[in-house]
Amino acid sequence: DQQVKQNSPSLSVQEGRISILNCDYTNSMFDYFLWYKKYPAEGPTFLISISSIKDKNEDGRFTVFLNKSAKHLSLHIVPSQPGDSAVYFCAARTDVQGAQKLVFGQGTRLTINP
Amino acid sequence: DTEVTQTPKHLVMGMTNKKSLKCEQHMGHRAMYWYKQKAKKPPELMFVYSYEKLSINESVPSRFSPECPNSSLLNLHLHALQPEDSALYLCASSQVSSEQYFGPGTRLTVT
Repeated sequence: DQQVKQNSPSLSVQEGRISILNCDYTNSMFDYFLWYKKYPAEGPTFLISISSIKDKNEDGRFTVFLNKSAKHLSLHIVPSQPGDSAVYFCAARTDVQGAQKLVFGQGTRLTINP
Repeated sequence: DTEVTQTPKHLVMGMTNKKSLKCEQHMGHRAMYWYKQKAKKPPELMFVYSYEKLSINESVPSRFSPECPNSSLLNLHLHALQPEDSALYLCASSQVSSEQYFGPGTRLTVT
């Protein structure tokens, strides 16, 4: 039972254009959603998060949108840069016995073409 | 200092060996985590420590034994592993209700 899904395994975008990565979830108990970026042979790097009570959060080139009724969130990167090429994981958080538990999607490999 | 460090970077061990993975953070975070990541898969939670107490064990086999000696250190003791346990083991830390910061991982190969 996959609670967090990223249906696009890969995405290719031209440099300077907008990259849109999508994520769907099934569990209404998730209270926070996060996006992580991962380069090969490195740990995931936190990018941006959004609380379940908000619908948008922006940080520089990165904006995350949350549509609670559709159980869908998206990450917008604009303008896209070659250094953005990486695997992006969507993660959803629940609180279990006072500790937070993250459930990750399968990841989307983003390639920015010059 | 926003760094989580993990040692060793790579580890090769036989199925009868005992080894340990080490994780350290100096951000004052009171929650620490172990994840396992297989190739082309997302990280999967193994254990959560909150205020140095084990809060979550995701039904991990007993051949993996976590330990949190203090608020900055997290160990994962390995014994009698199987080849299918070969993976990238990631440590993370966070304030109790904040985003998690990950270390670079230990690439484990069980022969």
